[in-house]
Parts: sequence; structure tokens; C-alpha cells
Amino acid sequence: DVKVTQSSRYLVKRTGEKVFLECVQDMDHENMFWYRQDPGLGLRLIYFSYDVKMKEKGDIPEGYSVSREKKERFSLILESASTNQTSMYLCASSSLSGTRVYNEQFFGPGTRLTVL
Amino acid sequence: TQLLEQSPQFLSIQEGENLTVYCNSSSVFSSLQWYRQEPGEGPVLLVTVVTGGEVKKLKRLTFQFGDARKDSSLHITAAQPGDTGLYLCAGNMRFGAGTRLTVKP
Repeated sequence: DVKVTQSSRYLVKRTGEKVFLECVQDMDHENMFWYRQDPGLGLRLIYFSYDVKMKEKGDIPEGYSVSREKKERFSLILESASTNQTSMYLCASSSLSGTRVYNEQFFGPGTRLTVL
Repeated sequence: TQLLEQSPQFLSIQEGENLTVYCNSSSVFSSLQWYRQEPGEGPVLLVTVVTGGEVKKLKRLTFQFGDARKDSSLHITAAQPGDTGLYLCAGNMRFGAGTRLTVKP
């Protein structure tokens, strides 16, 4: 059974803390993504990666960074957590087609982060 | 950024009714995906539509891709409580805000 796993389902942090969210996929997918999901706003793309050590900014990268040292692992880093980063964070992966059509994404269960 | 607008935002119906939800954009997409998300879980893919005018059926769910590949619809026939969830359309890594469907027994 293919899987995307995220390190925590729930996380509570304090303002100013450095926060690491980890994501691992076992499908040998080239692409990995980080989204945040907020009520009424849907999923918003933070960063994505199409290869090891490669990263691209999404629509809302401010306040976040990412790391992809291994193909199966994609980490999201909040350098100094703030209350407006309280959200559900979803990681996804997908395979890379030759035409660069982004195929179906497989999602992890999400991490609900609360920043106090 | 390619925006995807979904309507309605909320829909509450009785078991057995039919419904249609919409996904619209001013941009052309090479493909659109529909996902369903249940509380506390990540979205799960239902279907991908690729060709303009394409119709795909998944049991009681019918998906259509607009001729111009800018919009899509999802029609559910004889809705059941198990259809309850958040329905999301997506294209080129971007997602709409979703339609939250509640089917009452």
C-alpha cells in the first residue's frame, strides 16, 4: 500500500520557535509538495521539489523554507513560528511524466500545527 | 497564479437527491483532478480529466471537463451519506477552496 507519512498529526509550538515538519513517501516519486490548508482558502502551495536538493517557491513561501536531501524525504521548516502559521500542513508526492504534466498527488494525513 | 473557483462552497442535501458542483477558471489546464477529503485526512484522488469535453464516470459520480479545458463539473446521482466530504478540484498543483457536501440520511 503506497504511503505518504508525516512526522506528527498534532503539534503545538510557541511563537519564535523553529519548527520542523517531516514528510516521507515510499513510492519513489520525483515530485514532493508542501501545502497549508485553511478554512475557506483551500490548499495553498508553499514549496515544491522535483528532485533531490531542488526546490521551487509556491504561492506563499514567506516564513518557510524546505529541505530535500533524499528523494523520499521533504522537510518544511518554519524558521521562527508565528501565530498566523497556525494551520493544517499537508505533504504530497507525485510522479514526473515526460510531458511535465503534474500527475495525481498522493497526500499524507496532515499535521495540525498550533502556534501559541 | 491559476485560480480555481469552486461553487457552491457548502451544500446540504437529503439522501437520494442529485447534485452538481462546479470548478471554474479563466486559465486553460492540461488536466484537472478531483479529490475528496474527509475530516482529519489528506485529499484522495477521485479522477483526472485530460481531454476537452471528456466525461468520466465513477459509479454514481460523473465528471466532465469543459471543451475549452477551463472548467469542470462533478455530478452525483442519488447521493448517499457516505458521499459526505470536501470535494476539491485541482490543476497544475493549485487547488480550489472546495465544496463541502453533507448528505443527510
